[in-house]
Amino acid sequence: DTEVTQTPKHLVMGMTNKKSLKCEQHMGHRAMYWYKQKAKKPPELMFVYSYEKLSINESVPSRFSPECPNSSLLNLHLHALQPEDSALYLCASRGLAGDYEQFFGPGTRLTVL
Amino acid sequence: AQSVSQHNHHVILSEAASLELGCNYSYGGTVNLFWYVQYPGQHLQLLLKYFSGDPLVKGIKGFEAEFIKSKFSFNLRKPSVQWSDTAEYFCAVYAILTGGGNKLTFGTGTQLKVEL
Repeated sequence: DTEVTQTPKHLVMGMTNKKSLKCEQHMGHRAMYWYKQKAKKPPELMFVYSYEKLSINESVPSRFSPECPNSSLLNLHLHALQPEDSALYLCASRGLAGDYEQFFGPGTRLTVL
Repeated sequence: AQSVSQHNHHVILSEAASLELGCNYSYGGTVNLFWYVQYPGQHLQLLLKYFSGDPLVKGIKGFEAEFIKSKFSFNLRKPSVQWSDTAEYFCAVYAILTGGGNKLTFGTGTQLKVEL
């Protein structure tokens, strides 16, 4: 299984809502990533987890809260978002041996009203 | 901090024309290099990658890229494009840093439009 899955595919939320994005991989990868991608722009790194521990936080606002409950799962908890947070949120994973290819999921298209 | 430059932001070609998209990076040490493609409304897909060995790498859908270390470049080529190649193309570089904090840095992307 060489897939990274993400749910939901689409999410619409109000600025006072609390929601979560979920990412799952079964490739035995021990590094997992959250990226944010605006239209016609490259992905921007948000968080990196390595062996289930947060290793990089790219100064992301606290209204985004990542969680890695186990080696296969990565969540992104959302609270009190702003309309400018509307974007495609991508999850990726990578093995920690060999080359540095990251495998990307299909993303969650988030709209904040 | 490392940076990745893609010189062509928008490229328009006719079908069967040849393609070359430029990519330059700033890091002088060991790198892994990637080209990703994103078709309209779809997710990122890996076209090809280089991490060692033959600097000319072949990828999917007839794409290839050449790593020229002295020029810090990793240009993408395809001899004959098709309408279905219309997409956004991203070059990405993973700089292998001795102190950790490694991350994948993307170029700004090139929007390719292939006309019939």
